[in-house]
Amino acid sequence: QSVLTQPPSASGTPGQRVTISCSGSSSNIGSDTVTWYQQLPGTAPKLLIYRNDQRPSGVPDRFSGSKPGTSASLAISGLQSEDEAVYHCAAWDDSLNGWVFGGGTKLTVL
Amino acid sequence: QVHLMQSGAEVKKPGASVKVSCKASGYTFTNYYITWVRQAPGQGLEWMGWISAYTGHTNQAQKFQGRLTMTTDSSTTTASMELRSLTSDDTAVYYCARSDGSSDLDSWGQGTLVTVSS
Repeated sequence: QSVLTQPPSASGTPGQRVTISCSGSSSNIGSDTVTWYQQLPGTAPKLLIYRNDQRPSGVPDRFSGSKPGTSASLAISGLQSEDEAVYHCAAWDDSLNGWVFGGGTKLTVL
Repeated sequence: QVHLMQSGAEVKKPGASVKVSCKASGYTFTNYYITWVRQAPGQGLEWMGWISAYTGHTNQAQKFQGRLTMTTDSSTTTASMELRSLTSDDTAVYYCARSDGSSDLDSWGQGTLVTVSS
Protein backbone atom coordinates (compact mmCIF):
# COMPACT_ATOMS: atom_id res chain seq x y z
CA GLN A 1 0.00 0.00 0.00
CA SER A 2 1.77 3.14 -1.23
CA VAL A 3 1.48 6.44 0.64
CA LEU A 4 0.86 8.45 -2.56
CA THR A 5 -2.01 7.41 -4.82
CA GLN A 6 -1.59 7.00 -8.57
CA PRO A 7 -3.80 5.25 -11.12
CA PRO A 8 -2.26 1.86 -11.95
CA SER A 9 -2.50 2.37 -15.69
CA ALA A 10 -2.92 4.98 -18.41
CA SER A 11 -2.91 4.83 -22.18
CA GLY A 12 -2.96 6.96 -25.29
CA THR A 13 -2.26 6.89 -28.99
CA PRO A 14 0.77 8.49 -30.64
CA GLY A 15 0.47 12.29 -30.70
CA GLN A 16 -2.11 12.42 -27.92
CA ARG A 17 -1.78 14.17 -24.56
CA VAL A 18 -2.09 12.09 -21.41
CA THR A 19 -2.04 13.08 -17.75
CA ILE A 20 -1.18 11.03 -14.68
CA SER A 21 -2.36 12.11 -11.24
CA CYS A 22 -0.71 11.69 -7.85
CA SER A 23 -2.47 12.49 -4.58
CA GLY A 24 -1.07 12.70 -1.09
CA SER A 25 -1.54 14.55 2.18
CA SER A 26 -0.52 17.67 4.02
CA SER A 27 2.64 16.01 5.39
CA ASN A 28 4.06 15.20 1.97
CA ILE A 29 2.71 16.72 -1.26
CA GLY A 30 0.93 19.46 0.67
CA SER A 31 4.12 20.70 2.30
CA ASP A 32 6.89 19.84 -0.14
CA THR A 33 7.68 19.52 -3.82
CA VAL A 34 6.82 16.57 -6.04
CA THR A 35 9.21 14.59 -8.17
CA TRP A 36 8.42 12.29 -11.08
CA TYR A 37 10.55 9.37 -12.23
CA GLN A 38 10.35 7.44 -15.48
CA GLN A 39 11.18 3.74 -15.40
CA LEU A 40 11.64 2.12 -18.78
CA PRO A 41 11.23 -1.68 -18.88
CA GLY A 42 14.05 -3.49 -17.11
CA THR A 43 15.87 -0.32 -16.07
CA ALA A 44 16.32 1.84 -12.99
CA PRO A 45 14.11 4.88 -12.42
CA LYS A 46 15.31 8.09 -14.02
CA LEU A 47 14.60 11.63 -12.81
CA LEU A 48 11.98 13.19 -15.08
CA ILE A 49 10.49 16.20 -13.23
CA TYR A 50 11.74 17.80 -10.01
CA ARG A 51 10.44 20.61 -7.80
CA ASN A 52 6.94 20.09 -9.22
CA ASP A 53 7.59 21.38 -12.71
CA GLN A 54 11.32 21.50 -13.47
CA ARG A 55 12.90 19.34 -16.16
CA PRO A 56 16.51 18.12 -15.93
CA SER A 57 18.57 18.82 -19.01
CA GLY A 58 17.84 16.29 -21.72
CA VAL A 59 14.19 15.77 -20.79
CA PRO A 60 11.95 16.89 -23.68
CA ASP A 61 9.51 19.74 -23.03
CA ARG A 62 6.71 17.34 -23.95
CA PHE A 63 6.87 16.36 -20.28
CA SER A 64 5.43 18.83 -17.77
CA GLY A 65 4.44 18.77 -14.13
CA SER A 66 2.10 20.72 -11.88
CA LYS A 67 1.10 20.64 -8.22
CA PRO A 68 -2.19 22.20 -7.14
CA GLY A 69 -2.48 21.65 -3.38
CA THR A 70 -2.12 18.08 -2.10
CA SER A 71 -2.17 16.55 -5.55
CA ALA A 72 0.16 16.63 -8.53
CA SER A 73 -0.04 15.85 -12.22
CA LEU A 74 2.34 14.75 -14.92
CA ALA A 75 1.36 15.61 -18.49
CA ILE A 76 2.90 14.11 -21.59
CA SER A 77 2.01 15.76 -24.87
CA GLY A 78 2.76 14.49 -28.37
CA LEU A 79 2.88 10.93 -27.03
CA GLN A 80 5.56 8.71 -28.57
CA SER A 81 6.10 4.96 -28.47
CA GLU A 82 9.31 5.43 -26.47
CA ASP A 83 7.27 7.04 -23.68
CA GLU A 84 5.89 3.61 -22.78
CA ALA A 85 7.14 3.15 -19.21
CA VAL A 86 6.11 3.19 -15.57
CA TYR A 87 5.87 6.67 -14.04
CA HIS A 88 6.39 7.10 -10.31
CA CYS A 89 5.59 10.18 -8.25
CA ALA A 90 7.44 10.92 -5.02
CA ALA A 91 7.54 13.53 -2.30
CA TRP A 92 9.44 14.22 0.90
CA ASP A 93 7.34 13.40 3.96
CA ASP A 94 7.99 15.63 6.98
CA SER A 95 6.56 13.12 9.45
CA LEU A 96 8.80 10.29 8.20
CA ASN A 97 11.84 12.46 7.41
CA GLY A 98 12.08 10.43 4.22
CA TRP A 99 10.53 9.86 0.82
CA VAL A 100 7.14 8.46 -0.01
CA PHE A 101 6.23 7.09 -3.41
CA GLY A 102 3.14 6.34 -5.44
CA GLY A 103 2.48 2.83 -6.66
CA GLY A 104 3.50 3.73 -10.20
CA THR A 105 1.42 4.21 -13.35
CA LYS A 106 2.10 1.98 -16.34
CA LEU A 107 1.69 4.02 -19.50
CA THR A 108 0.82 2.12 -22.66
CA VAL A 109 1.11 3.73 -26.08
CA LEU A 110 -1.53 2.08 -28.24
CA GLN B 1 29.36 12.23 -15.09
CA VAL B 2 27.71 10.88 -11.96
CA HIS B 3 27.71 7.08 -11.80
CA LEU B 4 26.50 4.67 -9.13
CA MET B 5 27.61 1.08 -9.67
CA GLN B 6 25.97 -1.58 -7.51
CA SER B 7 27.11 -5.07 -6.60
CA GLY B 8 25.70 -8.14 -8.30
CA ALA B 9 22.60 -10.23 -7.74
CA GLU B 10 22.28 -12.31 -4.59
CA VAL B 11 20.33 -15.41 -3.61
CA LYS B 12 19.79 -15.89 0.10
CA LYS B 13 17.95 -18.29 2.37
CA PRO B 14 15.31 -17.09 4.83
CA GLY B 15 16.91 -15.80 8.00
CA ALA B 16 20.15 -14.84 6.30
CA SER B 17 21.60 -11.36 5.72
CA VAL B 18 22.53 -9.57 2.51
CA LYS B 19 24.91 -6.69 1.90
CA VAL B 20 24.61 -4.55 -1.22
CA SER B 21 27.29 -2.04 -2.17
CA CYS B 22 27.06 1.12 -4.27
CA LYS B 23 30.29 2.59 -5.71
CA ALA B 24 29.95 6.29 -6.51
CA SER B 25 32.02 8.23 -9.04
CA GLY B 26 31.93 11.50 -10.96
CA TYR B 27 31.16 13.80 -8.01
CA THR B 28 32.32 14.75 -4.52
CA PHE B 29 31.01 11.81 -2.51
CA THR B 30 30.76 13.56 0.85
CA ASN B 31 28.66 16.44 -0.50
CA TYR B 32 25.61 14.22 -0.94
CA TYR B 33 23.34 11.68 0.67
CA ILE B 34 22.74 8.12 -0.47
CA THR B 35 19.20 6.79 -0.29
CA TRP B 36 18.17 3.15 -0.56
CA VAL B 37 14.94 2.24 -2.34
CA ARG B 38 13.60 -1.19 -3.16
CA GLN B 39 11.07 -2.53 -5.65
CA ALA B 40 9.38 -5.89 -5.14
CA PRO B 41 8.38 -7.79 -8.30
CA GLY B 42 5.58 -5.94 -10.10
CA GLN B 43 5.32 -3.37 -7.29
CA GLY B 44 6.08 0.30 -6.76
CA LEU B 45 9.11 1.90 -5.18
CA GLU B 46 9.62 1.74 -1.42
CA TRP B 47 11.92 4.08 0.51
CA MET B 48 14.15 2.23 2.97
CA GLY B 49 16.43 4.89 4.39
CA TRP B 50 19.12 7.47 3.74
CA ILE B 51 22.64 8.18 4.96
CA SER B 52 24.69 11.36 4.86
CA ALA B 53 28.01 10.56 3.21
CA TYR B 54 29.51 13.50 5.13
CA THR B 55 28.35 12.86 8.70
CA GLY B 56 27.23 9.23 8.54
CA HIS B 57 23.88 10.27 10.05
CA THR B 58 21.07 7.96 9.00
CA ASN B 59 17.30 7.71 9.02
CA GLN B 60 15.27 4.71 8.00
CA ALA B 61 11.67 3.69 7.53
CA GLN B 62 10.15 2.26 10.67
CA LYS B 63 9.44 -1.12 9.09
CA PHE B 64 13.20 -1.76 8.76
CA GLN B 65 14.17 -0.69 12.29
CA GLY B 66 16.55 -3.21 13.79
CA ARG B 67 17.16 -5.03 10.49
CA LEU B 68 18.82 -2.40 8.29
CA THR B 69 22.30 -0.95 8.54
CA MET B 70 23.56 1.68 6.11
CA THR B 71 27.19 2.76 5.94
CA THR B 72 29.51 4.80 3.76
CA ASP B 73 33.27 4.71 3.21
CA SER B 74 34.60 8.01 1.88
CA SER B 75 38.02 6.48 1.14
CA THR B 76 36.45 4.22 -1.47
CA THR B 77 33.38 6.40 -2.20
CA THR B 78 31.21 3.39 -1.53
CA ALA B 79 27.89 3.13 0.28
CA SER B 80 26.57 -0.17 1.59
CA MET B 81 23.27 -1.49 2.85
CA GLU B 82 22.92 -4.62 4.98
CA LEU B 83 19.51 -6.17 5.58
CA ARG B 84 19.21 -8.97 8.14
CA SER B 85 16.68 -11.68 9.00
CA LEU B 86 15.53 -11.95 5.41
CA THR B 87 12.13 -13.35 4.47
CA SER B 88 10.55 -14.01 1.09
CA ASP B 89 8.92 -10.56 1.35
CA ASP B 90 12.40 -9.04 1.00
CA THR B 91 12.76 -10.41 -2.54
CA ALA B 92 13.17 -7.24 -4.57
CA VAL B 93 15.48 -5.10 -6.66
CA TYR B 94 17.41 -2.78 -4.36
CA TYR B 95 18.54 0.61 -5.65
CA CYS B 96 20.91 3.23 -4.30
CA ALA B 97 20.30 6.82 -5.35
CA ARG B 98 21.96 10.19 -4.76
CA SER B 99 20.38 13.30 -3.30
CA ASP B 100 21.55 16.56 -1.75
CA GLY B 101 19.05 16.37 1.09
CA SER B 102 15.29 16.27 0.89
CA SER B 103 15.35 17.15 -2.77
CA ASP B 104 15.05 14.74 -5.64
CA LEU B 105 16.99 11.52 -6.20
CA ASP B 106 18.91 12.67 -9.23
CA SER B 107 21.06 9.64 -10.03
CA TRP B 108 20.34 5.96 -9.49
CA GLY B 109 22.36 2.78 -9.46
CA GLN B 110 21.45 0.01 -11.87
CA GLY B 111 19.77 -2.05 -9.15
CA THR B 112 20.65 -5.30 -7.39
CA LEU B 113 18.23 -8.23 -7.41
CA VAL B 114 18.02 -9.98 -4.06
CA THR B 115 16.10 -13.26 -4.09
CA VAL B 116 15.16 -14.89 -0.80
CA SER B 117 14.23 -18.52 -1.23
CA SER B 118 14.65 -21.77 0.64
